[in-house]
Amino acid sequence: VQLVESGGTLVQPGGSLRLSCTVSGFIFSDSAMGWVRQAPGKGLEWVSGICASGRCTFYQPSVRGRFTISRDNSKDTLYLQMYSLRAEDTAVYFCAKYHGDYLGDFWGQGTLVTVS
Amino acid sequence: QSVLTQPPSASGTPGQRVTISCSGSSSNIGSHPVNWFQQLPGTAPKLLIYNNYQRPSGVPDRFSGSTSGTSASLAISGLQSDDESDYYCATWDVSLRAWVFGGGTKLTVL
Repeated sequence: VQLVESGGTLVQPGGSLRLSCTVSGFIFSDSAMGWVRQAPGKGLEWVSGICASGRCTFYQPSVRGRFTISRDNSKDTLYLQMYSLRAEDTAVYFCAKYHGDYLGDFWGQGTLVTVS
Repeated sequence: QSVLTQPPSASGTPGQRVTISCSGSSSNIGSHPVNWFQQLPGTAPKLLIYNNYQRPSGVPDRFSGSTSGTSASLAISGLQSDDESDYYCATWDVSLRAWVFGGGTKLTVL
């Protein structure tokens, strides 16, 4: 199982960014997926989740309305579209696979988003 | 301020048994199973326990999880120097409709 994030970079406050997570080694269309972030020197914070079909999505209250999670099951890829970025969104963003309803049996290595 | 409360630090000597607590409420730990993660500095988290007590394949049985009411615990027996890491609890909060994490516990092996 491999999850590889990409798209993290330096962006100005108010800017937008799209993260991608390309997976292999499991049937992507069978698994719920999510994004978890970690600000520098801080703990883990769940950001968003999406069910296997893509028809249901969930968000951390602080990003609801600014971030959109989506997936392309034909490309084995998970996305996180981020708008109106703030300094407090600066973090390493991990994508994570769900084991049934349980978050995080496999993780990517993370991609750094810096809002400054 | 995290929704789930963990002690910021814990310690033990090699061979000892250490327990890390995670306190929540009826809308999270009281309603949904708990996961525990281990995170070494600069690396991705690793799932240690899911569904309160189950271990993914490859996780040693030195690691065990339990819950009681609105609290959960991770126990590590036969402590090893490799266990020195950050540990996080997490679960779904039915009121927030979001996964919530504890603030993390830094385990030091003396």
